[in-house]
Amino acid sequence: QPVLTQPPSSSASPGESARLTCTLPSDINVGSYNIYWYQQKPGSPPRYLLYYYSDSDKGQGSGVPSRFSGSKDASANTGILLISGLQSEDEADYYCMIWPSNAVVFGGGTKLTVL
Amino acid sequence: EVQLVESGGGLVQPGGSLRLSCAASGFTFSSYWMSWVRQAPGKGLEWVANIKQDGSEKYYVDSVKGRFTISRDNAKNSLYLQMNSLRAEDTAVYYCARDFLDVWGQGTLVTVSS
Repeated sequence: QPVLTQPPSSSASPGESARLTCTLPSDINVGSYNIYWYQQKPGSPPRYLLYYYSDSDKGQGSGVPSRFSGSKDASANTGILLISGLQSEDEADYYCMIWPSNAVVFGGGTKLTVL
Repeated sequence: EVQLVESGGGLVQPGGSLRLSCAASGFTFSSYWMSWVRQAPGKGLEWVANIKQDGSEKYYVDSVKGRFTISRDNAKNSLYLQMNSLRAEDTAVYYCARDFLDVWGQGTLVTVSS
C-alpha cells in the first residue's frame, strides 16, 4: 500500500497560521482523490476534521471551526491543511488519509506545537 | 447520538486469538462501510480492514491478511474483528470507524505478550 508523507512536527504561535502538508507518492495523483484530515489529542480517539477534493467539492466535519480548511498543491502532489488563528487547543497530532480503490492509507502524522 | 463502542480487547499470548466487537447506535448501520483502525503505543494510525455495507466486500492491510477477519451483523448493528495468530506487533488500540472515518469509537486495547 502507498504511503503518504507528512512532516513529523510543526510549530507556530497563537494567532498565526499553520500549514500542514501531506505528500502523495508520485504514482498517485492528488487531483484524483479526496484528502481527509483528522486531529488526535493525547488519550483520545481521532476526530474527523474535513475533506478536500476541490473548491467546489469539500466538506467540514460536524462542529469543526471554519479556521480549519483544506487545499491542494498539484505541482507538489500535496494535500494541505491550513489552520488559521491558531489556538492553544489546536496542539495535537494531525493525520491525512486517502481512500484509493479498496484500502485506506494514512500519513505518518504531524505533531503540531502551539508555542 | 451517533456512537461506536468497542469491546473485547485484553491481554493475549503470542499465537492466540481474540474477537473484537463494535456496537453502533444513532445511525443506520447497514448503510455504511465500516473499518477497523489500530494505533500501536506511541505510533501513528494504521488502517486494518474494512467491509462493505452488505458484507460482500472485505479488504485488509497486508500485515493481517490470512490472520484477521472482519465481519458485520446488520441486524445487531455490530462490527467484528476476529484476530488469530496474534503477534507482538499487533499490540495496539483498535478503533472501529464509520465510512470515511467520520465517526470513531473510543478504542479497545489489545496487548499481545507472554
